[in-house]
Amino acid sequence: NAGVMQNPRHLVRRRGQEARLRCSPMKGHSHVYWYRQLPEEGLKFMVYLQKENIIDESGMPKERFSAEFPKEGPSILRIQQVVRGDSAAYFCASSPPGGSTYEQYFGPGTRLTVT
Amino acid sequence: GNSVTQMEGPVTLSEEAFLTINCTYTATGYPSLFWYVQYPGEGLQLLLKATKADDKGSNKGFEATYRKETTSFHLEKGSVQVSDSAVYFCALFTGGGNKLTFGTGTQLKVEL
Repeated sequence: NAGVMQNPRHLVRRRGQEARLRCSPMKGHSHVYWYRQLPEEGLKFMVYLQKENIIDESGMPKERFSAEFPKEGPSILRIQQVVRGDSAAYFCASSPPGGSTYEQYFGPGTRLTVT
Repeated sequence: GNSVTQMEGPVTLSEEAFLTINCTYTATGYPSLFWYVQYPGEGLQLLLKATKADDKGSNKGFEATYRKETTSFHLEKGSVQVSDSAVYFCALFTGGGNKLTFGTGTQLKVEL
């Protein structure tokens, strides 16, 4: 059973460009979470999605960041007009339907570098 | 709000030494507590968990006991190996919330 997959693993963008990060949850999982890890810090929650719905986006910056989890295909975290402060590791996690949402399985992360 | 505080690293130990990584928390309600491990270049893996007071989580020789009276969940291992070198994160989850709250991580380096 494949784990949570994220791509790309590394992404370099110039200031002002857009970054798209993809996450495919574990098979059978319908809940997706995005976390950001800034250098020298722990992971910070960004958003929690179920298929076609944003459930909790309390950790998302108000501007430039958006997330979706369509009926078909991976979850996408989109960052518009990136700035140097967006450089971080972005981790996706998934959990099964009906399960406790604390049982989150993490992907390997996407390391975004903004030059 | 919820928060997790863990000891700063890096922690450098010789192989077979005893390990303790301290973790304390602040939370509303009754949290579940976790230790995650992150090996270089990889994502986080759940190492162990405890869901109520006095529970002991254990896995791969690591242990942690949920101490409600001291709001702590310290990670211990009796004899570390070089392969244990990684970053360890303490985390909590409270019912009704949707997110894990993480500490800043403690890097462990084990040398021969």
